[in-house]
Amino acid sequence: EPEVTQTPSHQVTQMGQEVILRCVPISNHLYFYWYRQILGQKVEFLVSFYNNEISEKSEIFDDQFSVERPDGSNFTLKIRSTKLEDSAMYFCASSEPAEQYFGPGTRLTVT
Amino acid sequence: GIQVEQSPPDLILQEGANSTLRCNFSDSVNNLQWFHQNPWGQLINLFYIPSGTKQNGRLSATTVATERYSLLYISSSQTTDSGVYFCAGAPKGGYNKLIFGAGTRLAVHP
Repeated sequence: EPEVTQTPSHQVTQMGQEVILRCVPISNHLYFYWYRQILGQKVEFLVSFYNNEISEKSEIFDDQFSVERPDGSNFTLKIRSTKLEDSAMYFCASSEPAEQYFGPGTRLTVT
Repeated sequence: GIQVEQSPPDLILQEGANSTLRCNFSDSVNNLQWFHQNPWGQLINLFYIPSGTKQNGRLSATTVATERYSLLYISSSQTTDSGVYFCAGAPKGGYNKLIFGAGTRLAVHP
């Protein structure tokens, strides 16, 4: 069964460093998303991406965040200068357009 | 923005018991989904149910779109059902972003 994959599963970084989180969406899906979940809290939408451009973004998704689909399979989230409050689980999701399927997540720890 | 309210926030069951989880939306949504977050943090798709009723084994779900709520039924619960159950919906007119509720934390004891 096709699934969304994410790498790495866990990333530890120092405050101020850049990180890139990687995702491989399900191959025939057209819509791609990033969400995050701070420990013990609800899942929050960050950004949606369709037809090689951002279709919607939340207030959380400020100038330090960017997304890219560098080739036909990968979808990345870059955080330019990490802050302590960026520590969270980051989920990638994809959809055909409707039902969204989530990857296993990348746990980002900023020290 | 749209508000998603889940109840109860916490639920403790004995193995074999049945339960109903509820999700209320402050406005109409598309693409209503239920997820189970397992102890490893993975979000497992349970149902995509914008309206109507679906069943999958011991789980079933019903969405009444006109009244903006959805119910998840768990029958004959097992310890492996433990975890957090989230519902999420996409506001109409948007680009499918899912708005999540705060979840129901379920603990099933043997």
